[in-house]
Amino acid sequence: DGGITQSPKYLFRKEGQNVTLSCEQNLNHDAMYWYRQDPGQGLRLIYYSQIVNDFQKGDIAEGYSVSREKKESFPLTVTSAQKNPTAFYLCASSTLQGAWEKLFFGSGTQLSVL
Amino acid sequence: DAKTTQPPSMDCAEGRAANLPCNHSTISGNEYVYWYRQIHSQGPQYIIHGLKNNETNEMASLIITEDRKSSTLILPHATLRDTAVYYCIVRSTGGSEKLVFGKGTKLTVNP
Repeated sequence: DGGITQSPKYLFRKEGQNVTLSCEQNLNHDAMYWYRQDPGQGLRLIYYSQIVNDFQKGDIAEGYSVSREKKESFPLTVTSAQKNPTAFYLCASSTLQGAWEKLFFGSGTQLSVL
Repeated sequence: DAKTTQPPSMDCAEGRAANLPCNHSTISGNEYVYWYRQIHSQGPQYIIHGLKNNETNEMASLIITEDRKSSTLILPHATLRDTAVYYCIVRSTGGSEKLVFGKGTKLTVNP
C-alpha cells in the first residue's frame, strides 16, 4: 500500500543532543512537509520541500534542519538549538498537481526530552 | 494566522447527523474550503474540499453558503470512530500558500 512512514513512533532526546526523525513516502509525491503540534494546538509548519534538493522554511524553522536528497525521503533534524522540542511531529506529502492540494499525513513521531 | 473560526467543541449522538460549522468571512474568490480530521495521536486525514458548490463523497457532505462566508461539514450518521478534531481550512488555488491548521473543533460522538 502507498503511504507515508514516519519513524520512530516515540523518541527521547537528551540535553544538547541532535535527533533525526525519518519520513519516507512511496506515493511519488513531489512536495513534502514537516509540521509540529503541541498539546491542544493546531499544526505549525516547520519546513517544506517542493522538489528534490530544495526546501523552504516554514513558520517555526529555528532549531530545525532538513534535507531532500531523494524524492521519497525528507528527514527532520531537531538540533540542540531547539530549546523546547517536546511535541508531536507530523510529516506530510502532496502532488502539487491541479489547482488544489490534498495532503497525506504520516502517523507522527512523539518527541520528548529526558 | 488561520482564516477560519470554528467552535472549540461539539457533541453528537451516535447514529445522528453531525453538523460542524465554519466561518470564513474573509474568503476570496479563488480560495477553496478544505476539511481534515485528526483522530487522537494520528496524522490528519483529508475529508473533503469545495470552492462554491456543495460537495459530497463517501465520508461527508460540504455545504457552502451562497456568499461563501461560511460552510458546514455534515457527517450523516456519526459513529464512535468519528470522534476527532475537525479542521476547516481555506487556501487559494495553486501557488505556494500552505495549508494553515487552526485549533479545529473537537467532535465527541456519544453512545
